[in-house]
Amino acid sequence: AQKITQTQPGMFVQEKEAVTLDCTYDTSDQSYGLFWYKQPSSGEMIFLIYQGSYDEQNATEGRYSLNFQKARKSANLVISASQLGDSAMYFCAMREGQLGDYKLSFGAGTTVTVRA
Amino acid sequence: DTEVTQTPKHLVMGMTNKKSLKCEQHMGHRAMYWYKQKAKKPPELMFVYSYEKLSINESVPSRFSPECPNSSLLNLHLHALQPEDSALYLCASSQDPNRSPDGYTFGSGTRLTVV
Repeated sequence: AQKITQTQPGMFVQEKEAVTLDCTYDTSDQSYGLFWYKQPSSGEMIFLIYQGSYDEQNATEGRYSLNFQKARKSANLVISASQLGDSAMYFCAMREGQLGDYKLSFGAGTTVTVRA
Repeated sequence: DTEVTQTPKHLVMGMTNKKSLKCEQHMGHRAMYWYKQKAKKPPELMFVYSYEKLSINESVPSRFSPECPNSSLLNLHLHALQPEDSALYLCASSQDPNRSPDGYTFGSGTRLTVV
């Protein structure tokens, strides 16, 4: 069963505007972690932001913020003031809470294209 | 050093060849991973090594053989691959898996083409 759902295959955003990428997840664990990664066309996976299931504050890292709604099981990424270099594929991922058996499940990804 | 280094960056191999992919990290991370990624798709987990022992094998065909010679190195030996094995192979590492970890560090990947 799909554990991470990203419903937006592709999005266009105007430079300097904000964009929200949707992510919903499914888990029965109490302890889990949610991640967003950026993958440019070069292929490298770049870690952007992390939210732990017990964190009460939404995570922020520079222009990236994570809108964490635990009851809705959603973890949307907000990119503010988009730049041309933000054009890439973005993946939401979840780590489930089995210590010693650590793996990430990835969503299908969202391709973001920033227009000048 | 906060990087995961993968070599080679590109590899073209025939179906009868034997080749190896190499991954190295010097961050003291104790878990290392191999992922396979097809174009426009998410990464798919292949193997997890925890403290140099194989802890997860996601039912990967035996033509892929992982090896972890020490805590800094992870290899993926390839033999008798098929054209459908052409993909981006990503290595990643993370801190002690027996603590609550907070992220992977990925390498830049090896683009493999099987002809």
